Amino acid sequence: GNSVTQMEGPVTLSEEAFLTINCTYTATGYPSLFWYVQYPGEGLQLLLKATKADDKGSNKGFEATYRKETTSFHLEKGSVQVSDSAVYFCALLYNFNKFYFGSGTKLNVKP
Amino acid sequence: DTEVTQTPKHLVMGMTNKKSLKCEQHMGHRAMYWYKQKAKKPPELMFVYSYEKLSINESVPSRFSPECPNSSLLNLHLHALQPEDSALYLCASSQEGGGTSGRGETQYFGPGTRLLVL
Repeated sequence: GNSVTQMEGPVTLSEEAFLTINCTYTATGYPSLFWYVQYPGEGLQLLLKATKADDKGSNKGFEATYRKETTSFHLEKGSVQVSDSAVYFCALLYNFNKFYFGSGTKLNVKP
Repeated sequence: DTEVTQTPKHLVMGMTNKKSLKCEQHMGHRAMYWYKQKAKKPPELMFVYSYEKLSINESVPSRFSPECPNSSLLNLHLHALQPEDSALYLCASSQEGGGTSGRGETQYFGPGTRLLVL
């Protein structure tokens, strides 16, 4: 079956620290992979995506590379800001536009 | 414009009330979705409409009744809800719906309606 596993949070970092949030997936076939971000009290916003192996998605300083050999899609940012504090969801999209979401990782960035 | 709007933003209802949640998009998308999100959990898919037809119902109780009056609008009618139905209800849309493997479409989410059932 299809599933996504994310590292458990919360992750607490100081401003300007390097961020990695791990995401691995299990899927039959070739899914598309996404990172969504949810700020407190809001809906989900698309952060980045990749649709095939070795694709790199990037947006707002965040990056993730679709690694088929390790079935991973880790999210990275070189220097986090307080405004990046949010919950980050890794997601896999396969047939019929059904998302398989990870459990979410809460990021707290302290000044 | 990649905006999905939802009304109301907040809703409090009793277990005997009937209310409706509304969702609208003007991106020309032909697939629309309802999700339920409990606190500190990922969204759970409830319904998918593709070309105004219900294509997926994830075994949702009948007290939730979706409706897609046209390609831009999606409603969720609520009746006789239970306190455990309290959650954030998210609407999303994507271009086509019913996608094939490997090239899934991006779903754009609205801000959600926070529902409290007393």
